[in-house]
Amino acid sequence: AQSVTQLDSQVPVFEEAPVELRCNYSSSVSVYLFWYVQYPNQGLQLLLKYLSGSTLVKGINGFEAEFNKSQTSFHLRKPSVHISDTAEYFCAVGEGGGSNYKLTFGKGTLLTVNP
Amino acid sequence: EPEVTQTPSHQVTQMGQEVILRCVPISNHLYFYWYRQILGQKVEFLVSFYNNEISEKSEIFDDQFSVERPDGSNFTLKIRSTKLEDSAMYFCASRQGARREQFFGPGTRLTVL
Repeated sequence: AQSVTQLDSQVPVFEEAPVELRCNYSSSVSVYLFWYVQYPNQGLQLLLKYLSGSTLVKGINGFEAEFNKSQTSFHLRKPSVHISDTAEYFCAVGEGGGSNYKLTFGKGTLLTVNP
Repeated sequence: EPEVTQTPSHQVTQMGQEVILRCVPISNHLYFYWYRQILGQKVEFLVSFYNNEISEKSEIFDDQFSVERPDGSNFTLKIRSTKLEDSAMYFCASRQGARREQFFGPGTRLTVL
């Protein structure tokens, strides 16, 4: 079974600063990687995904992530954050095939953007 | 843009009572899921459902849990006799046939007293 490690449970940053949220996963033959964002009292929204192809993927709200197979990482970055980016961010890996496919999530990183 | 919807948004129940959480997946999706998130913890897989039967379930999904797709649009999670430790946010998700991303509903917060 896959496992996902988000090393930082909380990341405080100032507005307009860059941010990187780290995610590592256990290795597998086929890897499908996702970042979801959860705003306060809301559900999970897909931020971006890596399925194949280019290792740098861009998502919504100016976020991007880089798939690094050798380091089994999928870190999330944004060059300049806004107050509205304050939320919990979850890294997830898809495993299994067909009807057995499911997501395994990391514990989440709470990003707090301060003025 | 189509969305996954869930009702109710918040359910409070007494220990030992039965609850049914409802979800309407995106209409052309074929795979349906329930996940839960205990407060302060990570999102955990409960069960997947395809072609009117359970595909896979986690060890959390014991005999007290059941899922059903009673008609062409709804997907329900029933907890037969709730326990205090069932208190959590329950998310429904759906996935289109060959695609790998899952789309989540806003969740139902279940509080067991």
